[in-house]
Amino acid sequence: DAGVTQSPTHLIKTRGQQVTLRCSPKSGHDTVSWYQQALGQGPQFIFQYYEEEERQRGNFPDRFSGHQFPNYSSELNVNALLLGDSALYLCASSDTGQLRETQYFGPGTRLLVL
Amino acid sequence: SQQGEEDPQALSIQEGENATMNCSYKTSINNLQWYRQNSGRGLVHLILIRSNEREKHSGRLRVTLDTSKKSSSLLITASRAADTASYFCATLGGDSSYKLIFGSGTRLLVRP
Repeated sequence: DAGVTQSPTHLIKTRGQQVTLRCSPKSGHDTVSWYQQALGQGPQFIFQYYEEEERQRGNFPDRFSGHQFPNYSSELNVNALLLGDSALYLCASSDTGQLRETQYFGPGTRLLVL
Repeated sequence: SQQGEEDPQALSIQEGENATMNCSYKTSINNLQWYRQNSGRGLVHLILIRSNEREKHSGRLRVTLDTSKKSSSLLITASRAADTASYFCATLGGDSSYKLIFGSGTRLLVRP
């Protein structure tokens, strides 16, 4: 049973560029959440997707957008990258049938913006 | 913004000793969870305690929850070098929110 997978593992971009990160949820899970973790901090919630729609959003600008596909996989897009967007981006999946109580995290994508 | 603070920020102990980490939060919750993170990798779910529970055990882990004080503690007994990691508490909101709100974490070092 595959866990949550994310790609790529590392990424280097320059200011102003755009980036797309990808996530495949754990088998049987239908909800995907994205978190940003700055160095030395706890993860911060970006948004959550269920039934291909954004259901909840944290305090992040519109430069951050996402998508969920019919197979429940998801993408996180960040436009007009800033130096402050450098962070570990974590995807987590959960199961509506389990009230989404426990979220299982992927290994993350480390983004460096130069 | 973070839900609350974890205490201590860093902890260094000898293998075999017990490690205790504390977490405080600000709002009402459905449950509180503890996660472990090794060297900036993904988070591993350790244990979940619901708002109507006071104590829960899982192997060498013991978690307590005091909703009146909005605080929780994680005890790792008989620590091992492999327990070296960052530990985060996270709360699931009581407002039908499904987002996890994390604390700032405790960095645990277990010396062999």
